[in-house]
Amino acid sequence: EVQLVESGGGLVKPGGSLRLSCAASGFTFSNAWMSWVRQAPGKGLEWVGRIKSKTDGGTTDYAAPVKGRFTISRDDSKNTLYLQMNSLKTEDTAVYYCTTDGGRWGDAFDIWGQGTMVTVSS
Amino acid sequence: SYELTQPPSVSVSPGQTARITCSGDALPKQYAYWYQQKPGQAPVLVIYKDSERPSGIPERFSGSSSGTTVTLTISGVQAEDEADYYCQSADSSGTYPSVVFGGGTKLTVL
Repeated sequence: EVQLVESGGGLVKPGGSLRLSCAASGFTFSNAWMSWVRQAPGKGLEWVGRIKSKTDGGTTDYAAPVKGRFTISRDDSKNTLYLQMNSLKTEDTAVYYCTTDGGRWGDAFDIWGQGTMVTVSS
Repeated sequence: SYELTQPPSVSVSPGQTARITCSGDALPKQYAYWYQQKPGQAPVLVIYKDSERPSGIPERFSGSSSGTTVTLTISGVQAEDEADYYCQSADSSGTYPSVVFGGGTKLTVL
């Protein structure tokens, strides 16, 4: 079964750090580009950033609001995607989804995890 | 920054046709994708590359493109189609590649 499972969410104070993980199974993770997408409570979807497969360079791109504070990485030996979030702000409060980025259906976000909630509050 | 504009809400009766639009200046050059999201659930891809339907998505979902507007059409709407719908496309307007989502449209089945 194709699956993505996020973990690591929780409550953190402004200025703090948190690392999210996304465990992949049922597909060849090392070949996949991966993205993080977030959704603030009651709001729409917002792309956070992506990491390409190592064969495509393994490079990362980030949305402007998180650039310089968030870092996406991957461990293909563990089929796991990471999102390191530093200098967190209250506006980073959201459900964070990991998703495959491109593949079967063009450049679409195809497979999604169930999401993990991050709350930034004092 | 680049934006995709969707109507906040659309309402239709069961069996009718719902049309949800998404406007953006770059849409003539970039594909659009559509996602359905029900409360408490992750989004699900329903249309890719403007008008293609992934396997497992009912035939009543279709997509079209005309100039700077793409449209998601749901024919013969069913109660289970009540959800939020988001369009998405690539944003090549900046220095670095990016992705943009529309603000979302809440489809209400009356």
